[in-house]
Amino acid sequence: AQSVTQLGSHVSVSEGALVLLRCNYSSSVPPYLFWYVQYPNQGLQLLLKYTSAATLVKGINGFEAEFKKSETSFHLTKPSAHMSDAAEYFCAVSETGGFKTIFGAGTRLFVKA
Amino acid sequence: GAGVSQSPRYKVAKRGQDVALRCDPISGHVSLFWYQQALGQGPEFLTYFQNEAQLDKSGLPSDRFFAERPEGSVSTLKIQRTQQEDSAVYLCASSSDSSLSNQPQHFGDGTRLSIL
Repeated sequence: AQSVTQLGSHVSVSEGALVLLRCNYSSSVPPYLFWYVQYPNQGLQLLLKYTSAATLVKGINGFEAEFKKSETSFHLTKPSAHMSDAAEYFCAVSETGGFKTIFGAGTRLFVKA
Repeated sequence: GAGVSQSPRYKVAKRGQDVALRCDPISGHVSLFWYQQALGQGPEFLTYFQNEAQLDKSGLPSDRFFAERPEGSVSTLKIQRTQQEDSAVYLCASSSDSSLSNQPQHFGDGTRLSIL
């Protein structure tokens, strides 16, 4: 069975500091992995996805994530936080050939001025 | 429209009432998903349609929940005899590809359902 664990329900960084949001997954088959962002009272927006083409994936708004099979991780990073990055971030996994997507519980990112 | 549209945005109902939530996917999108998002949690899968066919309804919490997509476009999620634990945000998402899993889902803004 697939599952996703996001370490830390809340992360706080200063503007300009590195953002690191952690995600670990479990899957019995090679997974597809996603990061979504959710702003208040809105739906989810795709930041980036991993589909086995490259282990380092670049997304929108300066975010990137690295797939590490040995660590079953897909952590999200951004070199320099901006106030507009404050939102809820969800890591998600789906199985190749399947259609059910499993989401983590989310990490709320706070950015301090 | 340009994106996935859900209506109403907010719905308040008394316990025991029936409610219907509507989703207009992106035009031409084959796949449609419904999720339930409780406060402070990630979305949880409810059901999946490929065109008008409901291929997976394993996430529906009980037989009070029913979803349909009769013409392969607009979908309705119906909840009968609502209970307080049904209070949540219901998200709809659509995707362009029927081969699934690696295609991103485009989400609507959700319907926030409150049961009194």
